[in-house]
Amino acid sequence: GDSVTQTEGQVALSEEDFLTIHCNYSASGYPALFWYVQYPGEGPQFLFRASRDKEKGSSRGFEATYDKGTTSFHLRKASVQESDSAVYYCALGSSGGNYKPTFGKGTSLVVHP
Amino acid sequence: EAAVTQSPRNKVAVTGGKVTLSCNQTNNHNNMYWYRQDTGHGLRLIHYSYGAGSTEKGDIPDGYKASRPSQENFSLILELATPSQTSVYFCASGGANSDYTFGSGTRLLVI
Repeated sequence: GDSVTQTEGQVALSEEDFLTIHCNYSASGYPALFWYVQYPGEGPQFLFRASRDKEKGSSRGFEATYDKGTTSFHLRKASVQESDSAVYYCALGSSGGNYKPTFGKGTSLVVHP
Repeated sequence: EAAVTQSPRNKVAVTGGKVTLSCNQTNNHNNMYWYRQDTGHGLRLIHYSYGAGSTEKGDIPDGYKASRPSQENFSLILELATPSQTSVYFCASGGANSDYTFGSGTRLLVI
């Protein structure tokens, strides 16, 4: 079945550091790929998506490029802020007619001032 | 504004009791989902639905039932609640290759 593997556990950075959270997927068909962000006490929020190979998704300074060859969708940000501290989820949407979205286990980002 | 609303926000239940978690969406999405979120496990899919009258088992359906009486409403039912079902539950709506919109969650404690 479909699966998503992302950077495990916690990533700790200082403000203005460069962020990379790795995401690799396994899926039949040609899924859409997503990043979601979850702040404490809230549900996950849609960050951005990409639907085809080499497409770049971006929002709020975060970006990721769909790479079908390496089955990856790594999240990057050039300069993180304390307010970016949250849990980030990589996800893949319906592939092959299967309407079950698949989420990674989440990566907790902590940004120190 | 399109939204997903869950109720209640917090619930304390007794072991062996029945619990119903409710979800309403105004996105007019065909698909709705119930997840539970636990430390170390991320989001795990319990049940989902393609539309009114349909329910499908997700990855961890044991001990849970679901009901989709209308396009807007999707309920999760714990007929005999157990302490292992203590968790945070999220409802979401979405369509094929569309963005998924989540509710704010229900925190359930089974004692």
